Amino acid sequence: AQSVTQLGSHVSVSEGALVLLRCNYSSSVPPYLFWYVQYPNQGLQLLLKYTTGATLVKGINGFEAEFKKSETSFHLTKPSAHMSDAAEYFCAVSEIQGAQKLVFGQGTRLTINP
Amino acid sequence: DAMVIQNPRYQVTQFGKPVTLSCSQTLNHNVMYWYQQKSSQAPKLLFHYYDKDFNNEADTPDNFQSRRPNTSFCFLDIRSPGLGDAAMYLCATSRFKETQYFGPGTRLLVL
Repeated sequence: AQSVTQLGSHVSVSEGALVLLRCNYSSSVPPYLFWYVQYPNQGLQLLLKYTTGATLVKGINGFEAEFKKSETSFHLTKPSAHMSDAAEYFCAVSEIQGAQKLVFGQGTRLTINP
Repeated sequence: DAMVIQNPRYQVTQFGKPVTLSCSQTLNHNVMYWYQQKSSQAPKLLFHYYDKDFNNEADTPDNFQSRRPNTSFCFLDIRSPGLGDAAMYLCATSRFKETQYFGPGTRLLVL
């Protein structure tokens, strides 16, 4: 069975500082990995995804993530935080085969301090 | 713009009164999903349709049902809502084996 662990339910950074949101996964097959962002009372918006190929993936809004198989990690980073980045972030994993049944982590709430 | 639409955005129902949530898509995706997201929790998959084939998750309560009359529409029916069913319900769509795109969600309140 697949699972996702997001380290830190709340992360707070200053505006302009580095953002690092941690995600570790467990999967018995090569995974697809995703980061989604959710603003209050909104649906989930895809930030970026890893399927195959280059392990450093760039997404929208200046975010990127690196797939590290040896560490079973897919951490999300952004060099310089902006106030508009304040939201809930979900890491998710799915199997390659079949309809993509996403298994989500518990989420990390990102707060940006002025 | 192609998109996933959920109606209504907010739904209030009474304990035990059946309620239906709606999802439509203009993406022409063949897979549609329903997720339940309780407050401060991760979304949890309830079921999905691959074309007309219904796939229920093992732990989805029988109280939750779904219909997909055509490619564009999918409905979530809650036969007898309980207080514990209050949540955000998210619809998502995808092509087979491809990325899921989410609608804005319907927040359900059970009184």
